[in-house]
Amino acid sequence: NAGVTQTPKFRILKIGQSMTLQCTQDMNHNYMYWYRQDPGMGLKLIYYSVGAGITDKGEVPNGYNVSRSTTEDFPLRLELAAPSQTSVYFCASSPGRTNSPLHFGNGTRLTVT
Amino acid sequence: AQKVTQAQTEISVVEKEDVTLDCVYETRDTTYYLFWYKQPPSGELVFLIRRNSFDEQNEISGRYSWNFQKSTSSFNFTITASQVVDSAVYFCALSPQGGSEKLVFGKGTKLTVNP
Repeated sequence: NAGVTQTPKFRILKIGQSMTLQCTQDMNHNYMYWYRQDPGMGLKLIYYSVGAGITDKGEVPNGYNVSRSTTEDFPLRLELAAPSQTSVYFCASSPGRTNSPLHFGNGTRLTVT
Repeated sequence: AQKVTQAQTEISVVEKEDVTLDCVYETRDTTYYLFWYKQPPSGELVFLIRRNSFDEQNEISGRYSWNFQKSTSSFNFTITASQVVDSAVYFCALSPQGGSEKLVFGKGTKLTVNP
């Protein structure tokens, strides 16, 4: 099993550009998440999904969009990139129960200049 | 409101020293889960342990041990005889009732183990 796979690993964007961070999981997990990690700030939830066709905002959704057309895929879209979106982005999945640990991808380091 | 506090931002020790990473949490829920994750320099986040609110039994796994005390709302993590490979950022997290989308992370403690 590959687990959670994120692409790309690194990306540099110019201000105003758009891009999609890809995330796929092969564990048949219902729940998927996007987090951003800023230095010294822990992880902040951007969006999450409890199943195909269902998405919801997390703590810091502004400037991002998501979709969940299949159980496996949960892409994160950045529209009009801003320097404040420079961060490391992690996709994760879980069965969704309160006691479920999250399975994380390896992260995408994004720089917006 | 749910909150996790890891007061130690960075810790530096010499190999073979014991080190304890502190985690204090806040929740009004009676049922909840606590987690520790490790983020080595390579960047991925790895699940280490889960503890539910009804189980205060300490857990030991090799050189790792966890002390959960509801009376002080703490879930501390001790590494015995630290090794260079233990160098990482360690995150404590709280999952209150309602599903794992409500998971709250602490800001992490960066542990550096020097040879």
